[in-house]
Amino acid sequence: AQTVTQSQPEMSVQEAETVTLSCTYDTSESDYYLFWYKQPPSRQMILVIRQEAYKQQNATENRFSVNFQKAAKSFSLKISDSQLGDAAMYFCAYRTLYNNNDMRFGAGTRLTVKP
Amino acid sequence: NAGVTQTPKFQVLKTGQSMTLQCAQDMNHNSMYWYRQDPGMGLRLIYYSASEGTTDKGEVPNGYNVSRLNKREFSLRLESAAPSQTSVYFCASSRAGSPSRTDTQYFGPGTRLTVL
Repeated sequence: AQTVTQSQPEMSVQEAETVTLSCTYDTSESDYYLFWYKQPPSRQMILVIRQEAYKQQNATENRFSVNFQKAAKSFSLKISDSQLGDAAMYFCAYRTLYNNNDMRFGAGTRLTVKP
Repeated sequence: NAGVTQTPKFQVLKTGQSMTLQCAQDMNHNSMYWYRQDPGMGLRLIYYSASEGTTDKGEVPNGYNVSRLNKREFSLRLESAAPSQTSVYFCASSRAGSPSRTDTQYFGPGTRLTVL
């Protein structure tokens, strides 16, 4: 079974600085999806960014970008120009390609942004 | 367009009591899901419904039942609550009813349930 590991329970960044959150996963499949979700204090899970494994180009969404290393099974999230509103729990998730219902989440990283 | 809504936001139950968590989506999505989130763990799938009229077990279904009332609504029922079911429950929905390369799940705000 696929597993997702986030080795950093907590991270901290200064406002306007850059921070990178780590995620590794284990799979025997060659094609799949990876996601980063943000969970602010409101608890709602908000999709931040999505990466398709067959695409070599790293996904970007404004200040958010990923470093996808397929061979290393690594999928880190970089937040540039950090803002106070970025403070939240961040979850990495893996989804098999042809089973919408099998999504595996990591344990999360709590990001604190210092003014 | 409210997206995915859940009621209630908070609930406290005594052991053995029953209750139903409600979920509705207005995005015309085919698939709906129920997850639980426990401290130090990621979300785990309880049940899902790929389309109206169908439901299937996820990773942790024991102690729960679900009903896909119509395309919009998907409820989660605890028949006899136990302290181990204290958790935050999330409902989610996604467009595809069958496996899809591009499907993405959208989540509701969650329900914090405490069982004493």
